[in-house]
Amino acid sequence: RKEVEQDPGPFNVPEGATVAFNCTYSNSASQSFFWYRQDCRKEPKLLMSVYSSGNEDGRFTAQLNRASQYISLLIRDSKLSDSATYLCVVLGGGKIIFGKGTRLHILP
Amino acid sequence: SQTIHQWPATLVQPVGSPLSLECTVEGTSNPNLYWYRQAAGRGLQLLFYSVGIGQISSEVPQNLSASRPQDRQFILSSKKLLLSDSGFYLCARKSGTDYGYTFGSGTRLTVV
Repeated sequence: RKEVEQDPGPFNVPEGATVAFNCTYSNSASQSFFWYRQDCRKEPKLLMSVYSSGNEDGRFTAQLNRASQYISLLIRDSKLSDSATYLCVVLGGGKIIFGKGTRLHILP
Repeated sequence: SQTIHQWPATLVQPVGSPLSLECTVEGTSNPNLYWYRQAAGRGLQLLFYSVGIGQISSEVPQNLSASRPQDRQFILSSKKLLLSDSGFYLCARKSGTDYGYTFGSGTRLTVV
């Protein structure tokens, strides 16, 4: 099992729809989790941290399932500007592991 | 400010030429700094990290090297570039446990 796995997509979603994607991790001792957003040919930028109790930031909701070792990102009322690659990041044991990302295309 | 400066933004270099990419950071002193590479269609690969001046840890054996001559300066170098060194090079700093990592704007290197 890879350390961090994401469905590469692309997810093609109409504007206004809700989309969700998951990220699985193999190290059960992982401690911190993040979602990053990366626009084409740009650097990744922190979208949100993922807390054990789940957390929400506007249209974005992140959740952590330690038992099944995955985190999820839900985007509601998607906008054209949400089109990007979303990277899952897992920290644990002194290591930071980036997923390869899930590409999201919001269609007008 | 946790600003990270990287330059140049793009670079085209011939095979066998040397490389020097510079990263400077602002903000808190003694930051943990990182060099990542993102090849086309691939994930971020950690190349080097540094916890202080002169302290470099290499994650992947290759023809690249890194140096940290000053607290806020992190340099990535190569004596002879290979075609496989092409990629998007990102400098990053740790922003704190709850804030993940902050990246510089990156250097897109094409070796021809």
